[in-house]
Amino acid sequence: GNSVTQMEGPVTLSEEAFLTINCTYTATGYPSLFWYVQYPGEGLQLLLKATKADDKGSNKGFEATYRKETTSFHLEKGSVQVSDSAVYFCALLPRGSYIPTFGRGTSLIVHP
Amino acid sequence: KAGVTQTPRYLIKTRGQQVTLSCSPISGHRSVSWYQQTPGQGLQFLFEYFSETQRNKGNFPGRFSGRQFSNSRSEMNVSTLELGDSALYLCASSREAGTNTGELFFGEGSRLTVL
Repeated sequence: GNSVTQMEGPVTLSEEAFLTINCTYTATGYPSLFWYVQYPGEGLQLLLKATKADDKGSNKGFEATYRKETTSFHLEKGSVQVSDSAVYFCALLPRGSYIPTFGRGTSLIVHP
Repeated sequence: KAGVTQTPRYLIKTRGQQVTLSCSPISGHRSVSWYQQTPGQGLQFLFEYFSETQRNKGNFPGRFSGRQFSNSRSEMNVSTLELGDSALYLCASSREAGTNTGELFFGEGSRLTVL
């Protein structure tokens, strides 16, 4: 079946540090891949997505590249801010499906 | 454009009671799905409705049910509440005009505490 594995958190960084949150997946075919973010007290919101191999999704300084050969979609940001503190979810959507599979989420805490 | 609205935001129930949660999707969105979020299990898919029909269902017991109305608003019901049902229940809607982009729009959730 389909599954998404994320690195366990929390990830604790100082402001302006480099961020990587690892995400690997298992799926048949070529799913679309997503990163969602959940700020405290809120629902999830889409951060970025990629629909085919080698696509790079980017938004708000965050980037992730769809790597078919390593079945990965790692999230990166060059310089994090305190306001980036949130829980980040990696997700996949198989072709022809309407139901994404989510990872467990990775909590990011950024200190000033 | 209003977002996904969930009510109530917070509620406290006791074991054995039942609860109904409501979700109003973004105008024009016809698909509504529900998720249970807990610290231990993460996000778990409950069910998805499209045009008043349950199209997909997750692995939850029959105590969990839902429905969708002709205006796309949705409700979910949990009967005979158990302590383990304490969670944040998230509703999400999607557009599905033509090709499904896969993007879900989430509400802020209904936080249920069962005592």
